[in-house]
Formats: sequence, C-alpha cells, structure tokens
Amino acid sequence: QVQLQESGPGLVKPSQTLSLTCTVSGGSINSGGSYWSWIRQHPGKGLEWLGYIYYSGSTYYNPSLKSRLTISLDTSKNQFSLKLTSVTAADTAVYYCARAKYFDYWGQGALVTVSS
Amino acid sequence: EIVLTQSPDFQSVTPKEKVTITCRASQSIGSSLHWYQQKPDQSPKLLIKYASQSFSGVPSRFSGSGSGTNFTLTINSLEAEDAATYYCHQSSSPPLTFGGGTKVEIK
Repeated sequence: QVQLQESGPGLVKPSQTLSLTCTVSGGSINSGGSYWSWIRQHPGKGLEWLGYIYYSGSTYYNPSLKSRLTISLDTSKNQFSLKLTSVTAADTAVYYCARAKYFDYWGQGALVTVSS
Repeated sequence: EIVLTQSPDFQSVTPKEKVTITCRASQSIGSSLHWYQQKPDQSPKLLIKYASQSFSGVPSRFSGSGSGTNFTLTINSLEAEDAATYYCHQSSSPPLTFGGGTKVEIK
C-alpha cells in the first residue's frame, strides 16, 4: 500500500519561502506513469491543485502560482518537494501531496501558517 | 481552465435516502472526472475514478455516471458515516481543477 507523508515547517514568515517535502513509501516514486501532485485547502474552503511532477521530472504548475512555485523530485530518497516563494497570509492552508492524475493516495496534510 | 460546477452546495438527507450530486464541466472532458469524499480534519478519499469506476474498498452504495460535460455521483441508501463534503475533479486538461464541493448532512 502506497503511503505519503508531508513534512516541513508549520509557520513561515511573510515574504519568505514555504518548503514542504512528501515522502513516499510502499512504492517507487519513479515508477512509470506516475504523477505526483501538491494540492492545498484554505481554512474552511475547497481544494486547489497547485501542480504536479511526472516521474521523468517534467512539471506542470497552476498558472495562478506558476511564477512562485517549484516542484522537484528526489528519487534517491523517494521524495518530492514543493517550494513556494514570496508567501503572504493568503498562502495559509493545509497542503496535501497526492499521487497520480486522479488522486488515489493522499498524505495526511500539513497545516502551514504564514504569519510574522 | 476547465471550470467544474457542482450542485447542490448543501444537502440535508435522512438515512437510507438516495443522494444525487451533479458536476458540470465548462467543456467536454470525456470521462476524466473523479469523485472524492472528505470528512472534517481528514484528507480527501477517492471514491470514483474516470466517471464510473469504483475505487478499491469503496462501498457499493457509491456510484458514478456521465461523460462529456455532465456527471453524477449517487449514494444509494445513505448511511450516517456518509456525512461529508464531496468534490469532483477533472484530469482531462491541466490545470487540474476541482468543483466547489457539496456538503452532505445527515438529518
């Protein structure tokens, strides 16, 4: 059974960079055909897809965040990561990592608060 | 960007009643439509993939149908544990998008 686990700071200051890592267990992150996504949910709101990275390393980002977002893959650690620059309070959310284009496996979520 | 419009936003239902949630896409997405259930303080869980394929372990009372622009999630004989928010999601064309969600409350 594939499992995903987000990790990273729960508090980030405005204008700084939000960094999260998703560790995948129970399967290889570079198995053929795998997409790995980041999704967030603002408090009390719906789901917003941020972007994905393909097992080959190619990426697609939501245009609303494209200039600030980077997703990368570390196959040696079976992890993928998110970096979001120049954060504001509007980036306060629960951040989820998930597998595939239809999200069959999700992490438990990481609450990130942007505040000074 | 493909916009997904879910209806209703909220539904209050008695146990054993049938629930129908619709999701309309702003353009044709074939069958690349998936449904999730999210309970408070939990991650979403995949219920249905590609419009009508049940995901492993999902109770048979959950079913999906539709193609193109109109899709439906049906919960037959609602149980108390089905109280949750349900989301549709399209993977036809990036950026991937979600519907706004339908909250199902048990009367």
